[in-house]
Amino acid sequence: GQQVMQIPQYQHVQEGEDFTTYCNSSTTLSNIQWYKQRPGGHPVFLIQLVKSGEVKKQKRLTFQFGEAKKNSSLHITATQTTDVGTYFCAGNGGATNKLIFGTGTLLAVQP
Amino acid sequence: GAVVSQHPSWVICKSGTSVKIECRSLDFQATTMFWYRQFPKQSLMLMATSNEGSKATYEQGVEKDKFLINHASLTLSTLTVTSAHPEDSSFYICSATRLWGASEQYFGPGTRLTVT
Repeated sequence: GQQVMQIPQYQHVQEGEDFTTYCNSSTTLSNIQWYKQRPGGHPVFLIQLVKSGEVKKQKRLTFQFGEAKKNSSLHITATQTTDVGTYFCAGNGGATNKLIFGTGTLLAVQP
Repeated sequence: GAVVSQHPSWVICKSGTSVKIECRSLDFQATTMFWYRQFPKQSLMLMATSNEGSKATYEQGVEKDKFLINHASLTLSTLTVTSAHPEDSSFYICSATRLWGASEQYFGPGTRLTVT
């Protein structure tokens, strides 16, 4: 079945450093979404990418969707302690509106 | 807008009993609701997809007779864990989509189930 992998599993950075998580799907996606889950919390929608090669920015966050629509990345510039949490990508194959969540990347930010 | 609630937020039950978890969309009509389970430090695993007024679609490996899903209205879906066992202990999260075809999901706060 479809699998969505993320690397790294865990990243520890000093506040102010940059951070990137990479997402790879075993199949071509209709769209990809990114969610953030704070420790003890529930996933919160961040963004959706639909077009091949699409790049979107939200303040310090930059999201990319690969040309082949099988991979994506999230880059955070100058991390802050509020960025702490697990970042999940979630792929939508297109036939239904269900999502297959990636394995997640846990970001720890040391002040 | 797009707030989803779950009740209860946590529950402890004895092995062999059944537990019902409610998922409500508070300020929108949810055409589709999803149920996930999440083990500690792991990703969300989709259990089933439910559309209002129709039977739920279960993912491979999820026992439909054990995890009963009812989506009786556009704002409420329930998950009943029947004859619960300790291995069913997990974090159960529901989500909802607002419109037909829209894939952005709004998540409830989750229910922590512990079976003793």
